Amino acid sequence: GDSVTQMEGPVTLSEEAFLTINCTYTATGYPSLFWYVQYPGEGLQLLLKATKADDKGSNKGFEATYRKETTSFHLEKGSVQVSDSAVYFCALSEPPGNTGKLIFGQGTTLQVKP
Amino acid sequence: DADVTQTPRNRITKTGKRIMLECSQTKGHDRMYWYRQDPGLGLRLIYYSFDVKDINKGEISDGYSVSRQAQAKFSLSLESAIPNQTALYFCATSDSTSGQSKAYNEQFFGPGTRLTVL
Repeated sequence: GDSVTQMEGPVTLSEEAFLTINCTYTATGYPSLFWYVQYPGEGLQLLLKATKADDKGSNKGFEATYRKETTSFHLEKGSVQVSDSAVYFCALSEPPGNTGKLIFGQGTTLQVKP
Repeated sequence: DADVTQTPRNRITKTGKRIMLECSQTKGHDRMYWYRQDPGLGLRLIYYSFDVKDINKGEISDGYSVSRQAQAKFSLSLESAIPNQTALYFCATSDSTSGQSKAYNEQFFGPGTRLTVL
């Protein structure tokens, strides 16, 4: 079945460092890909998305590119801030005409130190 | 006001007790989902519902049941709680429109319920 694998955490960075969180997926068909963020004590929020190959999703300085050839959707940010400390989840979605279910990776905890 | 609400936010209970977690939404969405989150495992789907009369099992439905009382309400029950059901539980909603122009339906999550089974 479909699956998502993301890098183990926790990831600890200093403020203004470059961030990469790796995500790869296995899917039949052409899923949409997402990054969700979970701040301490809160639910998940959609951070960015990409719906087809070579699409780049971006939001709040974060970016990820849908790479069909490597089945990857790595999250990057050029300069992290303390406020970016959170858990990040990579996910794929079955098409809405099917179930629309989300399949999540394990989550990666990011801690940014001043 | 929050669009997706969950009650209670925290619950501690004992093995063998019956527990109900409730989810309500004001987004007018047809589809509702229950997930559980465990450290190192991400979120896994327990049950999902496309409308009041359409309820489906997810990947980890054993030990759980659900009720869709209305379009806006979707409850998750643990008939006899056990310690390995200790987790963070999330409800989510999405609309149901589909078609060639619709690649995905965004899911909107509630704040979660932290359940501890002793």
